[in-house]
Amino acid sequence: DTAVSQTPKYLVTQMGNDKSIKCEQNLGHDTMYWYKQDSKKFLKIMFSYNNKELIINETVPNRFSPKSPDKAHLNLHINSLELGDSAVYFCASSPRVGAGARETQYFGPGTRLLVL
Amino acid sequence: AQSVTQLDSQVPVFEEAPVELRCNYSSSVSVYLFWYVQYPNQGLQLLLKYLSGSTLVKGINGFEAEFNKSQTSFHLRKPSVHISDTAEYFCAVTRMDSSYNLSFGSGTRLLVRP
Repeated sequence: DTAVSQTPKYLVTQMGNDKSIKCEQNLGHDTMYWYKQDSKKFLKIMFSYNNKELIINETVPNRFSPKSPDKAHLNLHINSLELGDSAVYFCASSPRVGAGARETQYFGPGTRLLVL
Repeated sequence: AQSVTQLDSQVPVFEEAPVELRCNYSSSVSVYLFWYVQYPNQGLQLLLKYLSGSTLVKGINGFEAEFNKSQTSFHLRKPSVHISDTAEYFCAVTRMDSSYNLSFGSGTRLLVRP
């Protein structure tokens, strides 16, 4: 009955590879997010999807592409992985289109990506 | 754009002592304020949030925070901490104008010692 789940939990890969991280929420929320947490614990939003439309696209490299097959899923695909991509990636969701900023975000457990 | 500053990267405290984690924000427009907690190897969860009304906000696990508009602060407090409160605490801010862009501070690690 996990609210926001991510797979895999750990991902170790070589530079240059392409990988995907999956996220699913069973809360019926309208908005989903991807965050990157670096080694200093600093959290920065990467993307937000609202009813399958991209509504935030922070200045991340275009090697990163979010894909949302439906409202409950937001996957993150990363091409040509680099050493600097090593981080913890968190998926989150929040309810109700239009309520926006007031809403609590619910976070997944994170995916720890290590690029060698 | 809005931003958040958490001045203390780590706060060590003995069990049952009070604690205050500091948060200051900067924004040209009105904001909503949040405190999230991250336990080891877990995702973030909401402790409390300030939307409007009373400036003293009570959250889960005995935490509270006070919004001070003149000082642009939103400090988190707990009168008596437990070992289980050891975690990373993040202050966050977002604009009231329906932005989904939640900006986080750099986090404060609360280390509770027996």
